[in-house]
Parts: sequence; C-alpha cells; structure tokens
Amino acid sequence: AQSVTQLGSHVSVSEGALVLLRCNYSSSVPPYLFWYVQYPNQGLQLLLKYTTGATLVKGINGFEAEFKKSETSFHLTKPSAHMSDAAEYFCAVTGGYQKVTFGTGTKLQVIP
Amino acid sequence: NAGVTQTPKFQVLKTGQSMTLQCAQDMNHEYMSWYRQDPGMGLRLIHYSVGAGITDQGEVPNGYNVSRSTTEDFPLRLLSAAPSQTSVYFCASSFLTGTRNTEAFFGQGTRLTVV
Repeated sequence: AQSVTQLGSHVSVSEGALVLLRCNYSSSVPPYLFWYVQYPNQGLQLLLKYTTGATLVKGINGFEAEFKKSETSFHLTKPSAHMSDAAEYFCAVTGGYQKVTFGTGTKLQVIP
Repeated sequence: NAGVTQTPKFQVLKTGQSMTLQCAQDMNHEYMSWYRQDPGMGLRLIHYSVGAGITDQGEVPNGYNVSRSTTEDFPLRLLSAAPSQTSVYFCASSFLTGTRNTEAFFGQGTRLTVV
C-alpha cells in the first residue's frame, strides 16, 4: 500500500520567516513524491517533484524539498515566507499501484 | 494548449437527479482520474483509468460511474445524486512510467451542491 501523512492541517508563519510543511510517506516500492499548491477556488498545480537522482529538489516560487529515505519524509521548505504563499499545500506519492495518493493538506497562513 | 478542461464549473442538483461531469485533456496522457475534495479530507480518488477502455475504482467509488471510450475524455456520472455527494470534484491526467504516475495536471474543478 501507499500512503501520505501531512502533519498539521494549519500552519501560521510571519512574513519573512521560514516555512516548513511536513510530509511522511509509505510505499512498498521506491516512490515518486510531489508537492502541489492550491489557491482558493482553483485546481492544484505542481510545486516540485522527486523521481530519482538528487534528493534535494527545487521548485517554483523558492520552495524546495528533500527526499529522506531513512526517515520516509519529504518536507517542504522555503527560507522566507511571502504573503502570496498563503494557500493549501498537498503532498502526494505514487508507487506500485498506477495511482496517486494525496495527503489531507496543510493550509499555510502568512501573517504580515 | 488547453490542458485539462472540466465542465461545468458549478452545478446544483436535487436529490435523486443524475448528471455527468465532463473532463477532457489534450496532452495524450494515458492516465486520467477523478477526485473529490472535502474539508479536512484532502483529495480522495473516485475512479481512474490507465487507458481507453480501462477503468478501475478508487477509494470512494459508490454512487459514481465512469467510462473511457477515447484517450481524451473521461466523464464522471452521478447516478442518483445524494446530499453526501456535495463536494468539489477535480479531474486530473498524467503520463505513466511503469506503475508510477508523472506530474498530474488538474482541471479547475466542479463545485457540486446536492439539495
């Protein structure tokens, strides 16, 4: 089976502070991992992905994530939050089942 | 390049009515899927397809039917709408590499209310 756990349904940070959104996964085979962002009343769009190779991956809008196999984690970070980062973020995994499993999402609030 | 197109964007149904949500993609993706999004529950997979003529159930298939007669189209049918089906529905498509999905492209969603 494959699954994703996102710790914290709501995260608040001050503008300019570090953003850290946590994601842990399980997969019976080497996974592909994704982070998506959803702005209000819109569909999801890809922030970044890990497939193979370099474990630190960089995405759009200054976000990055590190694949840690030993910790089964794929946490999303950004050094300095911007007001425009306020959105809901979803971690997702795909493994040996030809389908994608999403986490329950983390809503990021940025406080001015 | 339109990507994934979903129609309608909004719909209100009465309990017991049926309807079809349309989804079309123009990227020649093998894989297409339908999700529903409810507060606090993330995206839950309803049905998916790995190619024309092939469909399978996700984690919440009851009350929904799908078919895939072409690579481009993947309609979702609500057979007899119930208030529990009030939700936001997303269609997504992607390529497959073996048993793994590549990046998913999402439609803009359909906000369905069943009264």
